[in-house]
Amino acid sequence: AQKITQTQPGMFVQEKEAVTLDCTYDTSDPSYGLFWYKQPSSGEMIFLIYQGSYDQQNATEGRYSLNFQKARKSANLVISASQLGDSAMYFCAMREGLGGAQKLVFGQGTRLTINP
Amino acid sequence: GAVVSQHPSWVICKSGTSVKIECRSLDFQATTMFWYRQFPKQSLMLMATSNEGSKATYEQGVEKDKFLINHASLTLSTLTVTSAHPEDSSFYICSAMTSGVSYEQYFGPGTRLTVT
Repeated sequence: AQKITQTQPGMFVQEKEAVTLDCTYDTSDPSYGLFWYKQPSSGEMIFLIYQGSYDQQNATEGRYSLNFQKARKSANLVISASQLGDSAMYFCAMREGLGGAQKLVFGQGTRLTINP
Repeated sequence: GAVVSQHPSWVICKSGTSVKIECRSLDFQATTMFWYRQFPKQSLMLMATSNEGSKATYEQGVEKDKFLINHASLTLSTLTVTSAHPEDSSFYICSAMTSGVSYEQYFGPGTRLTVT
């Protein structure tokens, strides 16, 4: 069963608009972490934002914010005021396990294209 | 911030030969490193977890005799693809995890392997 689901294979957005990338997850662990990564065409994985399962507030990092709805098991990424440089693949990931025994499980990814 | 390097960044090898990929944590010690594989337009799939001084833990379906992992020091893990075949052509990404409270993962830039 897919543990991380990203239902949008591709998204096209006009520059300067806000965009929401969807991510739902499935876990029975009370303690988990959710990540968003950006992967440009160069291939490097760029960390964007992190949300812990016990965090009371939604995480924010500059233009990135995470809309965390625990009851719905969703962790959508919101990018405000999109820029051409935001065009890339975006992956949602969930951390399973604790401490040194943890590992990341990735969603299928969403390709975001920002149009000028 | 924590930096992880990979070498080489790309490699072409002939079918039947072996190729070694290095993953180094440059400014921190990593007791645990992870190796991922990414096919074109697909997500990252965890291949194995590498722990310093002990045998790697392979994910289900990953051939341990084909993908040899050695984590000889706290800053270096190597992945050797033995008897490479064209279907082994892929993008291989490593990550290194810090120890202590945060247990954050930092990704290397990836190695693109092409087997001819």
